[in-house]
Amino acid sequence: GAVVSQHPSWVICKSGTSVKIECRSLDFQATTMFWYRQFPKQSLMLMATSNEGSKATYEQGVEKDKFLINHASLTLSTLTVTSAHPEDSSFYICSARLTGAEKLFFGSGTQLSVL
Amino acid sequence: DAKTTQPNSMESNEEEPVHLPCNHSTISGTDYIHWYRQLPSQGPEYVIHGLTSNVNNRMASLAIAEDRKSSTLILHRATLRDAAVYYCILRDWGAQKLVFGQGTRLTINP
Repeated sequence: GAVVSQHPSWVICKSGTSVKIECRSLDFQATTMFWYRQFPKQSLMLMATSNEGSKATYEQGVEKDKFLINHASLTLSTLTVTSAHPEDSSFYICSARLTGAEKLFFGSGTQLSVL
Repeated sequence: DAKTTQPNSMESNEEEPVHLPCNHSTISGTDYIHWYRQLPSQGPEYVIHGLTSNVNNRMASLAIAEDRKSSTLILHRATLRDAAVYYCILRDWGAQKLVFGQGTRLTINP
């Protein structure tokens, strides 16, 4: 079945640094990818929709200059958390849809801890 | 996005069937009903989806009410590995995104 690979699985960084998270569709082309974040004991919150070759569409309340999304190819989307602060500590999850299909495939998530 | 309502938690026993309910009284004719589940510290996993008719796959069955205002995810024989948070989500066919609600935390007792 289709696989979405997310890297790294976890990252610890100092406050003020930037962190990049990669999301790859390993065996299919994904014209659309999604980024979510999840705090402990809470549900997933959609951050943005990423379409290959165009600017991402951010959900209301999500700072686009804070969370930079790049979807340069049909198999790779990246999320960069710029100038990370402790409140950015969260579980970040990407997902991808096979073009024309209904279901989403999710990565295994990245746990970000900002000290 | 049309809203879904699910019980916060449910509990069942291993090897017994589990029926997870979902209410979506404001569903529109073009909304697909999706179910995903999430195990601890992992990304969600697709379970099943449907539009109007009941659906079966190797993981579960989806029973959709005739008026489509509710649906039930059926795990025919629960195992300990089925313990997870189950999310019922509506997706309009014209929309790309999936917006998650709070889900049902399913506990399976040995």
